[in-house]
Amino acid sequence: DTGVSQDPRHKITKRGQNVTFRCDPISEHNRLYWYRQTLGQGPEFLTYFQNEAQLEKSRLLSDRFSAERPKGSFSTLEIQRTEQGDSAMYLCASSFGTSPGYEQFFGPGTRLTVL
Amino acid sequence: AQSVTQPDIHITVSEGASLELRCNYSYGATPYLFWYVQSPGQGLQLLLKYFSGDTLVQGIKGFEAEFKRSQSSFNLRKPSVHWSDAAEYFCAVFYGGSQGNLIFGKGTKLSVKP
Repeated sequence: DTGVSQDPRHKITKRGQNVTFRCDPISEHNRLYWYRQTLGQGPEFLTYFQNEAQLEKSRLLSDRFSAERPKGSFSTLEIQRTEQGDSAMYLCASSFGTSPGYEQFFGPGTRLTVL
Repeated sequence: AQSVTQPDIHITVSEGASLELRCNYSYGATPYLFWYVQSPGQGLQLLLKYFSGDTLVQGIKGFEAEFKRSQSSFNLRKPSVHWSDAAEYFCAVFYGGSQGNLIFGKGTKLSVKP
């Protein structure tokens, strides 16, 4: 087991372009989360999946954002028509179980820069 | 709205000195409480967590934290700081219910003087 992995680690794009990030959770984990972290802030929740079902979406997740988790394994986060305000670190986390208080394991993040 | 407050943005301590990082959460049912550490280029690593029971919890790397319900606080402590502890520290809470996510504070950046 190598933990949560994210790809790419860095992405530079021009405003208006679409980008897609991938997250591979720890293999037996059934929950997967996406967070966004901007400079000087803590991570902010975007969305989460339990298996393949997307159970909750934050108000931060505008219509330009979409996330999927086909087959309950890896997940992708797509941002369409990127804006400079989308520049941030995008973190993925996974956990096992549905009981409260589970530990979330975080990946290294994808740093997005929108020029 | 549920929130987590870390009042100190940046703290500098001398190596070998003691450390206390403050965390307060908004009032509500006892949440599940966490402290994470983030080093440059690294993901968030869990230091310790509190769910119930003994209000003093021990974590990795010599850290401990104390839950005080009356003060809605969960402060992180370490008796003797090492230069390798320099990083950013985040307090987080999980309130349960239909929410699946952690709510994080804005973090406290720790610098260690030799």
